Amino acid sequence: GEDVEQSLFLSVREGDSSVINCTYTDSSSTYLYWYKQEPGAGLQLLTYIFSNMDMKQDQRLTVLLNKKDKHLSLRIADTQTGDSAIYFCAETGGGADGLTFGKGTHLIIQP
Amino acid sequence: DTEVTQTPKHLVMGMTNKKSLKCEQHMGHRAMYWYKQKAKKPPELMFVYSYEKLSINESVPSRFSPECPNSSLLNLHLHALQPEDSALYLCASSQVVGIASSYEQYFGPGTRLTVT
Repeated sequence: GEDVEQSLFLSVREGDSSVINCTYTDSSSTYLYWYKQEPGAGLQLLTYIFSNMDMKQDQRLTVLLNKKDKHLSLRIADTQTGDSAIYFCAETGGGADGLTFGKGTHLIIQP
Repeated sequence: DTEVTQTPKHLVMGMTNKKSLKCEQHMGHRAMYWYKQKAKKPPELMFVYSYEKLSINESVPSRFSPECPNSSLLNLHLHALQPEDSALYLCASSQVVGIASSYEQYFGPGTRLTVT
């Protein structure tokens, strides 16, 4: 079945770059997303990438996709205290299909 | 505007109660979703509506009954729930088809349900 894996915790110093990694198993994953969830809140869509792309940059966010290894990463440049949250990667084949989420990575910012 | 609204924000109900969760979007999306999220876990898909018709039911118990009255509204009717059903219930919406669409799902803030 489909599976999406993430490490559970990442601790970085304020001002450094954060890199959150994700691996997926479904070869038909066409759309890959990163969501941010702050405590007690819903999910905020950060960015997405198509499976035919290698990289996407959006301000402080850079997404890298290695389709051969089924590996996705999210780089947050100049990490700030407001970036403290749980980050989920998710995938879908497209259309009206549900998302399959990774377990989420808790990003902890050290002052 | 990418807003999905959900009411109520919090709900406490007994095991014999009947209640409903509501979700609304005005982005013209024709797919709407219910997810359940337990504490410290990722969201899990429950139901998908596509063009107001139920297209996916992830083997959800019948005490949860979804309804899509029109393209902007999605309800989740709750009856005879168990304490283990306590969770954050998230609604989302997306496009179904579209040229170069990324089918991104936009989520509401959720309803935090406690079953006593």
